[in-house]
Amino acid sequence: QKEVEQDPGPLSVPEGAIVSLNCTYSNSAFQYFMWYRQYSRKGPELLMYTYSSGNKEDGRFTAQVDKSSKYISLFIRDSQPSDSATYLCAIETSGSRLTFGEGTQLTVNP
Amino acid sequence: DGGITQSPKYLFRKEGQNVTLSCEQNLNHDAMYWYRQDPGQGLRLIYYSQIVNDFQKGDIAEGYSVSREKKESFPLTVTSAQKNPTAFYLCASSSRDRLREQYFGPGTRLTVT
Repeated sequence: QKEVEQDPGPLSVPEGAIVSLNCTYSNSAFQYFMWYRQYSRKGPELLMYTYSSGNKEDGRFTAQVDKSSKYISLFIRDSQPSDSATYLCAIETSGSRLTFGEGTQLTVNP
Repeated sequence: DGGITQSPKYLFRKEGQNVTLSCEQNLNHDAMYWYRQDPGQGLRLIYYSQIVNDFQKGDIAEGYSVSREKKESFPLTVTSAQKNPTAFYLCASSSRDRLREQYFGPGTRLTVT
């Protein structure tokens, strides 16, 4: 079983929609959960991270962790065409490395 | 400006040739990483280094080699033993106690024919 799994999409939504991006993970001991955004032909950039369970909000973005289900989510409110990118979840799977999901390609249509 | 540079952006090589990808950072980070990205497979860790003169294999190290002689630099050599080297290669760095906050370079797209 993979440590982190993510639906690759692609996902296409109209401007203004609420977007939900999700990942599952295998080990209940994992504590740090990250979301990176990657524009086409660029390196990823860290959007936000959460520790343990609960929600974290940053503007239009909310990261959520459900440890009982081993499920992490990123919600984007009022999505904009500039949000079109690949979103990668990542988990700190040891003290020295991250493990990334496959990435979900999102397109927000004007 | 602080950041990570990778050069070149595009690289073309003939099969059987070794090629070295450059990665330099001026963020004063101790830890550096090399990832490979293929369509539908996310980022896979090749090698990482937490301190100068020390590095560890990641999940797909076969056919690759690295060195870490300076804090700022972490070059990756793709050898002729790598069976499918065509990919997008990403370098990243972080401070040792905040590895979750990795900063990525712009990547090098390597094509081997």
